[in-house]
Amino acid sequence: KNQVEQSPQSLIILEGKNCTLQCNYTVSPFSNLRWYKQDTGRGPVSLTIMTFSENTKSNGRYTATLDADTKQSSLHITASQLSDSASYICVVSPDFSGNTPLVFGKGTRLSVIA
Amino acid sequence: GAGVSQSPSNKVTEKGKDVELRCDPISGHTALYWYRQSLGQGLEFLIYFQGNSAPDKSGLPSDRFSAERTGGSVSTLTIQRTQQEDSAVYLCASSLVSWGVAGGPYNEQFFGPGTRLTVL
Repeated sequence: KNQVEQSPQSLIILEGKNCTLQCNYTVSPFSNLRWYKQDTGRGPVSLTIMTFSENTKSNGRYTATLDADTKQSSLHITASQLSDSASYICVVSPDFSGNTPLVFGKGTRLSVIA
Repeated sequence: GAGVSQSPSNKVTEKGKDVELRCDPISGHTALYWYRQSLGQGLEFLIYFQGNSAPDKSGLPSDRFSAERTGGSVSTLTIQRTQQEDSAVYLCASSLVSWGVAGGPYNEQFFGPGTRLTVL
């Protein structure tokens, strides 16, 4: 069964600190992996999209890495800000045909405190 | 509009009633998706529309759920005879073009703010 597991479930960090969120997936075949940020009461917003051939992609203070061999991805947030408080969702696209829906993780709830 | 909009933002209904949820996609986007986000769960795919093609309904959980898209733009998700387990946030997304129900690697899905449905 195609699954996406994220850890930790929740995380609290001090403003200015770095953090890394983990994503493991058992989706096969694999087309691409996305990280989304979802603020409370809002829809998810895309941060990065990586295909199987990409190892890293950055978007400002967000850097995503992908190891397609071990089926692991991470999202690193540098110099965290209060506005980074949100749920971060790892999403995997199962195949190249596009005929299989995206598989969503349950998210990591990040709280950045002053 | 500037983004995907959904209405209502919140809906409280009694068990057994029918509800209609509306989605206005970004103008010009040909693909539209409905997802359900239950408490503590990941987003669950419900249905996908692409242009004038027949929708992909493979994610609808029961025949109480249906959706339509009129004129290739606005979409309505209807839940008949609501049950308490239908309580969730219903999210709509649209994309400029689509490469199947997953959207393709370079095709970003833009999400609306969702409708929070509570069935009492």
